[in-house]
Amino acid sequence: NAGVIQTPRHKVTGKGQEATLWCEPISGHSAVFWYRQTIVQGLEFLTYFRNQAPIDDSGMPKERFSAQMPNQSHSTLKIQSTQPQDSAVYLCASSPFQGGDERLFFGHGTKLSVL
Amino acid sequence: QQKVQQSPESLIVPEGGMASLNCTSSDRNVDYFWWYRQHSGKSPKMLMSIFSNGEKEEGRFTVHLNKASLHTSLHIRDSQPSDSALYLCAASMGMGYKLTFGTGTSLLVDP
Repeated sequence: NAGVIQTPRHKVTGKGQEATLWCEPISGHSAVFWYRQTIVQGLEFLTYFRNQAPIDDSGMPKERFSAQMPNQSHSTLKIQSTQPQDSAVYLCASSPFQGGDERLFFGHGTKLSVL
Repeated sequence: QQKVQQSPESLIVPEGGMASLNCTSSDRNVDYFWWYRQHSGKSPKMLMSIFSNGEKEEGRFTVHLNKASLHTSLHIRDSQPSDSALYLCAASMGMGYKLTFGTGTSLLVDP
């Protein structure tokens, strides 16, 4: 079990460019979450999918952020027109969400730096 | 305004000592609490969860929950240098809901 895989590990973009972050959840897990982590704000919820369906995107900055889960083996987070304040570590997590097991298993994260 | 508040922000305890971390939610809809631990440069890993009033113990770790005050605490006895990490408290409205995290308590165990 390789755990949750996130690519790339690091991404540097210029202001105004687009960034796409990828996540491969643990096989068999039905829920996928996206969070971002900064020193100041801590771990902020962005969005979550269950059985590939979007359940809660209340944390997503609506205008520039979008997330998809086209199949059970991967999810993407896309940020258009990146801004310096988007710089953060973006963490993807998956969870079994069955049998009362709702532990989040986090990937190593993608560190996004917007110059 | 963080809905999940943790205190203290940082804590230093001697090796072998007791570490006590606190967490309170300002959202009265929450029902479940979680504790995650994040070592430097690593991703968070779940440590313990508690859903009912009272106490739960796993090895050197004990969590308490008071649902009336929406307060949970994590106690680590016989602290080890390997316990040095960021401890994150999270709350959710129940099964199937998102977790809202606090900003964490940074624990340093001084050998």
